[in-house]
Amino acid sequence: AIRVTQSPSSFSASTGDRVTITCRASQDISNYLAWYQQKPGKAPNLLIYAASTLQSGVPSRFSGSGSGTDFTLTITYLQSEDSATYYCQQYYIYPPITFGQGTRLEIK
Amino acid sequence: QVQLMESGGGVVQPGRSLRLSCTASGFIFSNYAIHWVRQAPGKGLEWVAVISYDGSNRYYAESVEGRFTISRDNSKNTLSLQMNSLRAEDTGVYYCAKDQQMATIKYFDYWGQGTLVTVSS
Repeated sequence: AIRVTQSPSSFSASTGDRVTITCRASQDISNYLAWYQQKPGKAPNLLIYAASTLQSGVPSRFSGSGSGTDFTLTITYLQSEDSATYYCQQYYIYPPITFGQGTRLEIK
Repeated sequence: QVQLMESGGGVVQPGRSLRLSCTASGFIFSNYAIHWVRQAPGKGLEWVAVISYDGSNRYYAESVEGRFTISRDNSKNTLSLQMNSLRAEDTGVYYCAKDQQMATIKYFDYWGQGTLVTVSS
């Protein structure tokens, strides 16, 4: 199975900051990577797919980049509502589809 | 609007069975693969299973292979997950999730609200 590792596991930032979360796959997955946001008690919400394509309705302050094994999710002009846990997911080879372990972002 | 609604969760003893259902609306159900994804309390997301749009292909996580069975009824817009030989580590919130693109297995654009399964004696 392809392993997907996120970093950091958690961190805090202030509103207005620019933050980056990284995701590394254990083998080349081309651009077959998605990013999700999950708030406590809620289902995940798709942010980015194909590594860099913004899902309809998602604010443009979210962006994704990368290909191969290394990927990033960037949030510019951080807002209070961006406090959440973020997950990356690979869909290049399945089964299994695999998720990263999550990155918890707290807004100071 | 697209809606997915899970049901069937509850408390069950180890070794027993449980059947989850997911009712879909707001899209052409028979055009999309549907997945089950679970989340243990305080933990991350774990993909469980997927069934292709026409039911011809089914894939499972190694942790549930041989114990869980995914199925769908396109005439009723429903998805099911039959869970047998349940273990404590199967405890968690189970989500059904729709694949974003027609006739593919990739990533999830709509999720249900989840149903809680607790395996405990």
